[in-house]
Amino acid sequence: DTGVSQDPRHKITKRGQNVTFRCDPISEHNRLYWYRQTLGQGPEFLTYFQNEAQLEKSRLLSDRFSAERPKGSFSTLEIQRTEQGDSAMYLCASSYRQGLNYGYTFGSGTRLTVV
Amino acid sequence: KQEVTQIPAALSVPEGENLVLNCSFTDSAIYNLQWFRQDPGKGLTSLLLIQSSQREQTSGRLNASLDKSSGRSTLYIAASQPGDSATYLCAPGNQFYFGTGTSLTVIP
Repeated sequence: DTGVSQDPRHKITKRGQNVTFRCDPISEHNRLYWYRQTLGQGPEFLTYFQNEAQLEKSRLLSDRFSAERPKGSFSTLEIQRTEQGDSAMYLCASSYRQGLNYGYTFGSGTRLTVV
Repeated sequence: KQEVTQIPAALSVPEGENLVLNCSFTDSAIYNLQWFRQDPGKGLTSLLLIQSSQREQTSGRLNASLDKSSGRSTLYIAASQPGDSATYLCAPGNQFYFGTGTSLTVIP
């Protein structure tokens, strides 16, 4: 287990289609995060899980977006009825909470282009 | 909500120069601060993680400092190299927020 894996690396979809991304965190990490990043901006928080529980969701996560982490291992992020404004890099990160001090490890991201 | 500001937004230096990148944040109730590097079109690579009990953390040519009381952190890069060209992002601990980064170009 060498890091956080995201699949696919690139996705091109037509407007209105649904897309699903997968993230496999580092196995011993119990927290998993989803971020969205557009050109020239820092990552924007979308949601995070501790084990299988989704503990926080950003207002950026509209009702077209849903994330799951069914067994506390991998996670999926689904976007329904994609819009051109959804085009971005979607980043996943994981961390292990030991006491109150822990850091993120990021995956390489999934680049979504909505045409 | 934590507000994170990184200055400068962009920096271009000749190879070999020492440089400092700045990160300021509004909520000082953090447990750590992490610096990342991002190459174009790629994910984030962790560079340094400073715990709140530490004032500095070093890795090779990189040195990061943290002053929680003033809401500031700096990343010092010694003897810059063209391979250091990337965007550098800071994340005040575990609060989900990032700055917009400093885009560094090191000219050979």
